[in-house]
Amino acid sequence: EAQVTQNPRYLITVTGKKLTVTCSQNMNHEYMSWYRQDPGLGLRQIYYSMNVEVTDKGDVPEGYKVSRKEKRNFPLILESPSPNQTSLYFCASSLEGVAFYGYTFGSGTRLTVV
Amino acid sequence: AQKVTQAQTEISVVEKEDVTLDCVYETRDTTYYLFWYKQPPSGELVFLIRRNSFDEQNEISGRYSWNFQKSTSSFNFTITASQVVDSAVYFCALSEATGANNLFFGTGTRLTVIP
Repeated sequence: EAQVTQNPRYLITVTGKKLTVTCSQNMNHEYMSWYRQDPGLGLRQIYYSMNVEVTDKGDVPEGYKVSRKEKRNFPLILESPSPNQTSLYFCASSLEGVAFYGYTFGSGTRLTVV
Repeated sequence: AQKVTQAQTEISVVEKEDVTLDCVYETRDTTYYLFWYKQPPSGELVFLIRRNSFDEQNEISGRYSWNFQKSTSSFNFTITASQVVDSAVYFCALSEATGANNLFFGTGTRLTVIP
């Protein structure tokens, strides 16, 4: 089944403890992206990648890191999480330009930082 | 700058009523793409439709229909004969051809269909 897989689905962590949210897609998509969803703000892009080793900042990149060492994987790293990073996170992938294909989203990761 | 506005934060309707979700967008690009996504209570985001700026034809898919009007920069979504399973948050989104990596989302409209 074609899909974007995120893990974990739920995560509670403490301030300052490094964490990684994994994302993998099995559709051979070029584009991958991370979004966060917050009440009243919709979804906002954190980082995106157009191919292996090509990543760039989205609208809200502060406090996050990403890497794209393989085409299928695009992990999101929070080096020192803070409570304002409590959010619902989505990984997404697209065959080529998002405009033409839209994004296929993972099931989401609900992160709570205490 | 691009922007998507969904002014209706929450809507409640009784089952079998029709409901329209509004979406107004702003962009300076002449080529752009509009999307609707559904987020059911389980949380995932489900793609519903994509429309490019050169195609102003309305689209119908079963009980769903979309009205794209460039003159008013709107891309409204109507559900006919609503059902409880339509209860979800619906997001409208915009992608510009010049910035083909990002979907700009509205803040979403929460639809509750009451049985």
